[in-house]
Amino acid sequence: DAGVTQSPTHLIKTRGQQVTLRCSPISGHKSVSWYQQVLGQGPQFIFQYYEKEERGRGNFPDRFSARQFPNYSSELNVNALLLGDSALYLCASSLGNWGLETQYFGPGTRLLVL
Amino acid sequence: GQNIDQPTEMTATEGAIVQINCTYQTSGFNGLFWYQQHAGEAPTFLSYNVLDGLEEKGRFSSFLSRSKGYSYLLLKELQMKDSASYLCAVRDPRMDSSYKLIFGSGTRLLVRP
Repeated sequence: DAGVTQSPTHLIKTRGQQVTLRCSPISGHKSVSWYQQVLGQGPQFIFQYYEKEERGRGNFPDRFSARQFPNYSSELNVNALLLGDSALYLCASSLGNWGLETQYFGPGTRLLVL
Repeated sequence: GQNIDQPTEMTATEGAIVQINCTYQTSGFNGLFWYQQHAGEAPTFLSYNVLDGLEEKGRFSSFLSRSKGYSYLLLKELQMKDSASYLCAVRDPRMDSSYKLIFGSGTRLLVRP
C-alpha cells in the first residue's frame, strides 16, 4: 500500500513569491495535517483538515492557507514568502478526526526561500 | 502552555542499549508518541503510550509515567542504522484539538562502531 505522498520533493523560491505544496493521504484516511519543520527543530502544527473542512489551525500568519479536496488530498499555499519560511513541510494523514489515531507522515517538501 | 524537553544529542556504541528521555509539562494528557527521523526524511512512527507502563516492540520499548510527566524510549542491540533523530510528541490535551501533535526538538542519536 502506498503511504502518504507529497510533491514536489524540493522547491526553490524567492522572497515575495507564492508556493503550493501537495499531499495525498494513505488510502482510506480522511484527515490531513500539515506541519512545518525548521532545521534542528521538531515539527510545528500548521493546519488539520477533515472531510474538506479546516478543523484546526496553528500559530501561523494568514499567508498560510490550505484546502482539502473530495478525494481527501490536500494543498498548502504560502503567499508572500519570507526567508524564514524555508523549512521541511510535512503532511500527515490519519483515519479520522477522533484524535485517537496515529498520524503517518509523508516524505515532505523541502522549501528554500532565497 | 505546553512544553516538551529532550536531550539535544546522545552518542552510543553499536550493540549497546540507549535510553532517550522526554519530559513534558502540559495542562492535561492525551497520549505520547515517539517518532524516528533520519536526516532529510519524514518522521516514522515508533510507539504510542497513553497508559502508564512499558510498551515493548522488538528492539524498541517506550515507557510512560503520567504522574511524573515523563517518558523514555529504550533502544536495544543498537545498529548503525539507528543513527537518527528521535522525536517525542504529545497530543494537545484539549479535546477539541487532540488531532494536533506537539513535538519536542528531538534527540539526535549517533551510533558508533
